[in-house]
Amino acid sequence: TQLLEQSPQFLSIQEGENLTVYCNSSSVFSSLQWYRQEPGEGPVLLVTVVTGGEVKKLKRLTFQFGDARKDSSLHITAAQPGDTGLYLCAGGSNTNAGKSTFGDGTTLTVKP
Amino acid sequence: KAGVTQTPRYLIKTRGQQVTLSCSPISGHRSVSWYQQTPGQGLQFLFEYFSETQRNKGNFPGRFSGRQFSNSRSEMNVSTLELGDSALYLCASSLARGLTEAFFGQGTRLTVV
Repeated sequence: TQLLEQSPQFLSIQEGENLTVYCNSSSVFSSLQWYRQEPGEGPVLLVTVVTGGEVKKLKRLTFQFGDARKDSSLHITAAQPGDTGLYLCAGGSNTNAGKSTFGDGTTLTVKP
Repeated sequence: KAGVTQTPRYLIKTRGQQVTLSCSPISGHRSVSWYQQTPGQGLQFLFEYFSETQRNKGNFPGRFSGRQFSNSRSEMNVSTLELGDSALYLCASSLARGLTEAFFGQGTRLTVV
């Protein structure tokens, strides 16, 4: 069974601070996605990474896929209250197409 | 282009009843997956449908079932509801199998009383 562990589980910071969220596994994934979910809504896809060592930037968000494709990180620079939400990582496997394994999520609160 | 549409948004059912939830994927998307989200368990995979066939199934009891129609719309059914089935049920659509980049609907919030 493929498992994804996210840390930290909860994070509360002040506006303007930087933060990093981690997503780790002992399994190799063919791709990894990051989602952000707001209360009562479905997750919204932020990015997909597929190559080991890949780095993608989305405005103030930087996503990195580990060289071995077992882990990923999400770094937010100068966090804003609008970044508040549940951040989820999800891993996909070519051997189990159509099924994503999700981490338990990191709940981020950015205070003004 | 319209996103993934799930209906209804909210549902309250009594223990023992059954329920059917609906999901219309993004136009052109042929793969539909269902997930159950609860505070304690996070997002748990239920099943995936592609070309009207169930291709993948999670570790849920047989009370949970689904189907997909020729237009890719999907339904999931839960029979003999239990209190523990209260959750946010999410549907995700993908262009094809193997493309795990999924787009989610807003979900159906099911409350079993």
